[in-house]
Amino acid sequence: AQSVTQLGSHVSVSEGALVLLRCNYSSSVPPYLFWYVQYPNQGLQLLLKYTTGATLVKGINGFEAEFKKSETSFHLTKPSAHMSDAAEYFCAVTPWGAGSYQLTFGKGTKLSVIP
Amino acid sequence: DSGVTQTPKHLITATGQRVTLRCSPRSGDLSVYWYQQSLDQGLQFLIQYYNGEERAKGNILERFSAQQFPDLHSELNLSSLELGDSALYFCASSVDLSYNEQFFGPGTRLTVL
Repeated sequence: AQSVTQLGSHVSVSEGALVLLRCNYSSSVPPYLFWYVQYPNQGLQLLLKYTTGATLVKGINGFEAEFKKSETSFHLTKPSAHMSDAAEYFCAVTPWGAGSYQLTFGKGTKLSVIP
Repeated sequence: DSGVTQTPKHLITATGQRVTLRCSPRSGDLSVYWYQQSLDQGLQFLIQYYNGEERAKGNILERFSAQQFPDLHSELNLSSLELGDSALYFCASSVDLSYNEQFFGPGTRLTVL
């Protein structure tokens, strides 16, 4: 069984400030980890993913995330927030090698960027 | 644009009714996933089809069913609708069973009155 916990349903940052969105997971098998972004009235877009290999992964729009197995975390960061980053962000996990990559999502974190 | 299309975009119906949501995966993708996004439950996996066969089942109610056709498009059928079925329903597709990235459609917003 897997689960994902996103700390903070709503995060506000100033434009130009660091963005840090937290994600912790629980998985009985090695997981694949994902961050998706959802803009208002739109579908989900993949920001980045961790499968195997390098634990620091870079994604689109300047976002990156680090897989820390010992902390079962996959926090999302961006050095400098932009107004266009305002959206809802979802962390998701899927079991490695299961043959079905159904995603288990966290509850989401809504990011507001203050000018 | 992910290449996944969903119709209709919005659907308003009454309790007890039946509706069908349609999804066309990206060209070449064999696997289709359905997810429900509601305020109460968040984003939940419902069901997956691969090349016409049901592959995995999640938290899908017995009143709901799905299928994938030979042209690979998929339909999600929701019957005996209740107020609590109001949600955004997403379809996602991926290349095959060995590939983990899913591409999401824009969703169908279902409102049950």
